[in-house]
Amino acid sequence: GEDVEQSLFLSVREGDSSVINCTYTDSSSTYLYWYKQEPGAGLQLLTYIFSNMDMKQDQRLTVLLNKKDKHLSLRIADTQTGDSAIYFCADLVNTDKLIFGTGTRLQVFP
Amino acid sequence: DADVTQTPRNRITKTGKRIMLECSQTKGHDRMYWYRQDPGLGLRLIYYSFDVKDINKGEISDGYSVSRQAQAKFSLSLESAIPNQTALYFCATQGGAANTGELFFGEGSRLTVL
Repeated sequence: GEDVEQSLFLSVREGDSSVINCTYTDSSSTYLYWYKQEPGAGLQLLTYIFSNMDMKQDQRLTVLLNKKDKHLSLRIADTQTGDSAIYFCADLVNTDKLIFGTGTRLQVFP
Repeated sequence: DADVTQTPRNRITKTGKRIMLECSQTKGHDRMYWYRQDPGLGLRLIYYSFDVKDINKGEISDGYSVSRQAQAKFSLSLESAIPNQTALYFCATQGGAANTGELFFGEGSRLTVL
């Protein structure tokens, strides 16, 4: 079946850039997403990219999509302590259900 | 007020008990989902529904059942809870005119089965 994989942890210094990576197996993805989960809360959509795009930029966030390698990344510029959270990559499969990765816990230290 | 509301937010129960988690939404979305979250495993889909009375199994439906009696409500039941069902459960909705597949999540229901 479809699978989405991410590394579990990332630690960065405040002010540096963070890059969170994701790989997926679905060949018919239409949209791919990045969600953020803060402690004690549900998931909130950060950004998404349509499958015919290579890149999407939204303020400090840059999403890169390599369809050939089925690789998605999220870059956060000038990472702040408020960016500490779990980040989930998700793939829209068959237009009806989202398959999530394991989540990457981002820790930002001073 | 939250658009997607889950009750209870926290529940501790014993093995063998029947548990129901409820979800209600004010977004007017047709599609509703139940996920469970476990550390290191991410979110896994339990059941989903595209309309009233429509029920579809997700990747881990064994041991769970759902009911969609109204557009705004989607409940998840554990008929006989077991300890490995201890997890954080999320309800989510999807829909709207500009449907990009985005899910809108509730705040989660933490279930502990002793």
